[in-house]
Amino acid sequence: KAGVTQTPRYLIKTRGQQVTLSCSPISGHRSVSWYQQTPGQGLQFLFEYFSETQRNKGNFPGRFSGRQFSNSRSEMNVSTLELGDSALYLCASSLASGWEQYFGPGTRLTVT
Amino acid sequence: KQEVTQIPAALSVPEGENLVLNCSFTDSAIYNLQWFRQDPGKGLTSLLLIQSSQREQTSGRLNASLDKSSGRSTLYIAASQPGDSATYLCAVVPSGNTGKLIFGQGTTLQVKP
Repeated sequence: KAGVTQTPRYLIKTRGQQVTLSCSPISGHRSVSWYQQTPGQGLQFLFEYFSETQRNKGNFPGRFSGRQFSNSRSEMNVSTLELGDSALYLCASSLASGWEQYFGPGTRLTVT
Repeated sequence: KQEVTQIPAALSVPEGENLVLNCSFTDSAIYNLQWFRQDPGKGLTSLLLIQSSQREQTSGRLNASLDKSSGRSTLYIAASQPGDSATYLCAVVPSGNTGKLIFGQGTTLQVKP
């Protein structure tokens, strides 16, 4: 069974731009969660989607948004990028909320 | 507010040693606890998941225990190998908010040949 895939793997953007990251979950998994990892803050929860509905949201500004499609694939969008948004963005999938989460390789975003 | 702490932040041991990584959490109302491994610049690999009703889980040389009432979990690694060198993260899923993992800052392990 293929694991969680994330595209692109690396991105360089300029302050003020916007970016869209994509996540394809493990086949059959309906829950997708997103996390931001930085050296200073560690791993922080962004949001969770289940059956195309956002079920949980972390403490991030409204510039961070996401969605989930009917095939469970998910995208997250960050608008008006700031230098502090530079991070590794990780996506995880699970069969349902609270079940074991499996992580993708991440997208490394650098904002200059 | 749930907080997860991992001690020590870094650990260096000679190959073959048995070792214990510690994880503590402030709120015992958890749904489950998961241990992960992260290699530099990579994603997370799930190692073990312990449900709140369980006391321990084992996988190969790894054994994780959970004492929910005291807010503690330990990851025991037997006969450590250089390939075990990585950052180990524990994360809890709060009861009533099961879509969210709350992570500790991790323990970076180096196993010297």
